Amino acid sequence: EIVLTQSPGTLSLSPGERATLSCRASQSVSSSYLAWYQQKPGQAPRLLIYGASSRATGIPDRFSGSGSGTDFTLTISRLEPEDFAVYYCQQYGSSLFFGGGTKVEIK
Amino acid sequence: QLQLQESGPGLVKPSETLSLTCTVSGGSISSSSYYWGWIRQPPGKGLEWIGSIYYSGSTYYNPSLKSRVTISVDTSKNQFSLKLSSVTAADTAVYYCASGSFDKTIFGVVTLGALDYWGQGTLVTVSS
Repeated sequence: EIVLTQSPGTLSLSPGERATLSCRASQSVSSSYLAWYQQKPGQAPRLLIYGASSRATGIPDRFSGSGSGTDFTLTISRLEPEDFAVYYCQQYGSSLFFGGGTKVEIK
Repeated sequence: QLQLQESGPGLVKPSETLSLTCTVSGGSISSSSYYWGWIRQPPGKGLEWIGSIYYSGSTYYNPSLKSRVTISVDTSKNQFSLKLSSVTAADTAVYYCASGSFDKTIFGVVTLGALDYWGQGTLVTVSS
């Protein structure tokens, strides 16, 4: 079982700033099977990124993913008001596991 | 555009079995391209994958829950279901059904893809 550790737990930023979220895996994630989700209060998660760096349908290009092996990053280039939410990374493939989440809050 | 909708009791007694159904619309549950899964989220906490199923009936479970989980599919109703036995208060959560792309190589290697369609979720409380 791969354990995904997300940091920081909470990120306090202002609209227009750049957000950098980290996801570290306890062992190498095969074929970059790493996804990122956004979840707002009372809503289901929404897929943002799959394959570590591919944006899902309809996701703005201010969201980007990078990384390989055990270290992955989600970057939001300029935070919009609607981007303040909780973000989860997920390993997929033969099984699915989620990281603990990073909350991006308004400073 | 796939749509998924969870249904089932919102309250379950400790030691009993939690049963939920997910109804799929906008596509066929028998599609060879998709798999179907259950994810839960305790109040104020993170996401936990429970397990997944392919239309053929092949199942994939979270090892930490495997002994208590059964996921099944009913292709005639375009539904799949979750049963979680011997529940305790720790099983109180919002339960989501979801789907993602399915791939299987000629060597039998299965890849469950990222989850791109989700139901709205249903809160299940375990309490006497």
